[in-house]
Amino acid sequence: KAGVTQTPRYLIKTRGQQVTLSCSPISGHRSVSWYQQTPGQGLQFLFEYFSETQRNKGNFPGRFSGRQFSNSRSEMNVSTLELGDSALYLCASSYRPDTANYGYTFGSGTRLTVV
Amino acid sequence: AQSVSQHNHHVILSEAASLELGCNYSYGGTVNLFWYVQYPGQHLQLLLKYFSGDPLVKGIKGFEAEFIKSKFSFNLRKPSVQWSDTAEYFCAVNAGDMRFGAGTRLTVKP
Repeated sequence: KAGVTQTPRYLIKTRGQQVTLSCSPISGHRSVSWYQQTPGQGLQFLFEYFSETQRNKGNFPGRFSGRQFSNSRSEMNVSTLELGDSALYLCASSYRPDTANYGYTFGSGTRLTVV
Repeated sequence: AQSVSQHNHHVILSEAASLELGCNYSYGGTVNLFWYVQYPGQHLQLLLKYFSGDPLVKGIKGFEAEFIKSKFSFNLRKPSVQWSDTAEYFCAVNAGDMRFGAGTRLTVKP
């Protein structure tokens, strides 16, 4: 079965712009979580969605937002981009939030560079 | 919310050396603990997990981890590393949502 698909793979934006990243989970997975990965910071939790509802949110400013559609695909949006937003954005999926305990499946990520 | 600390940022070992990577978490309740690995250019993959029971858990590729509740620790070990173990290793804790540590980069010299 297809894995977690994240698009685009690479993105270059300028400061002040906004960006939308997409994540299609494995078929049947309804829980999607987003992480920001930067060197030295590891993976920082952004938010988790399940059945189109945001379950949890990490400590990121309101410029970071997300949503989930009825087909479980999820998008995250970052508005008013800052240089510090440059990172690899990872999406992970599982059947339900509790089944994340059996292991997430991660996508390859979207590499965002803000110039 | 729970938090995770990984003590070593970069570890360099020679092949056949023993490995221990530290992980401590802060959360007072029941947690599920994980180690994930990210090989160069690849996705994050689950290495092993602990839910309950025997505090010594064995994962893939000869890795194991020990949960010590009194120390809030879940250290990763391997008796003899190989060059192919070169990767970044992340400890994670799930207490409602999955939180990861900053990662430890392991370089194994042939």
